[in-house]
Amino acid sequence: QKEVEQDPGPLSVPEGAIVSLNCTYSNSAFQYFMWYRQYSRKGPELLMYTYSSGNKEDGRFTAQVDKSSKYISLFIRDSQPSDSATYLCAMSEGRGGAGSYQLTFGKGTKLSVIP
Amino acid sequence: EAQVTQNPRYLITVTGKKLTVTCSQNMNHEYMSWYRQDPGLGLRQIYYSMNVEVTDKGDVPEGYKVSRKEKRNFPLILESPSPNQTSLYFCASSDWHGNIQYFGAGTRLSVL
Repeated sequence: QKEVEQDPGPLSVPEGAIVSLNCTYSNSAFQYFMWYRQYSRKGPELLMYTYSSGNKEDGRFTAQVDKSSKYISLFIRDSQPSDSATYLCAMSEGRGGAGSYQLTFGKGTKLSVIP
Repeated sequence: EAQVTQNPRYLITVTGKKLTVTCSQNMNHEYMSWYRQDPGLGLRQIYYSMNVEVTDKGDVPEGYKVSRKEKRNFPLILESPSPNQTSLYFCASSDWHGNIQYFGAGTRLSVL
């Protein structure tokens, strides 16, 4: 069983729609959950960062973590064509010491927002 | 401006010809890492370094070498490149926390 599962899409939505992106994971030791955005021909950039369970909001973006279900989500409200990118979830145990710095990535979901 | 700089951005080479991809960060980060990104496989870690002179293998280290002689630099060395190392490579750095990693713009390597 793969550690992090993410639907690769592609996902195509009209401008203004609410977008929901999700990842599931199997390692119950994961404590840190990140969402990266990657534009074509660019490196991933950190979008949202959450520790443990709960919600975090930043402008049009909301990250949710449900550790009991091993499920994380990223919601994008009022989506814009500039949101068109590949979104990668990433997780780490963050225990401290060797190995704790390793991020496990999902394979990414490609999103297109159509004007 | 805080950044991770990789060079070159694009590289075409032939099998067996040694090459080095450089990576430099200006954020005084302890942690640096190399990834490769392939279609359908996502980002996979090659090597990482938690500080100067401290390196360790990631998930796919075969065929690669790294060194960390200075805090800001973390070059990736392919001593005898093969076609299966054709990929998009990313360098990343992070502070001690390790969970928030900043990525370079990538190096697209083709080995013929």
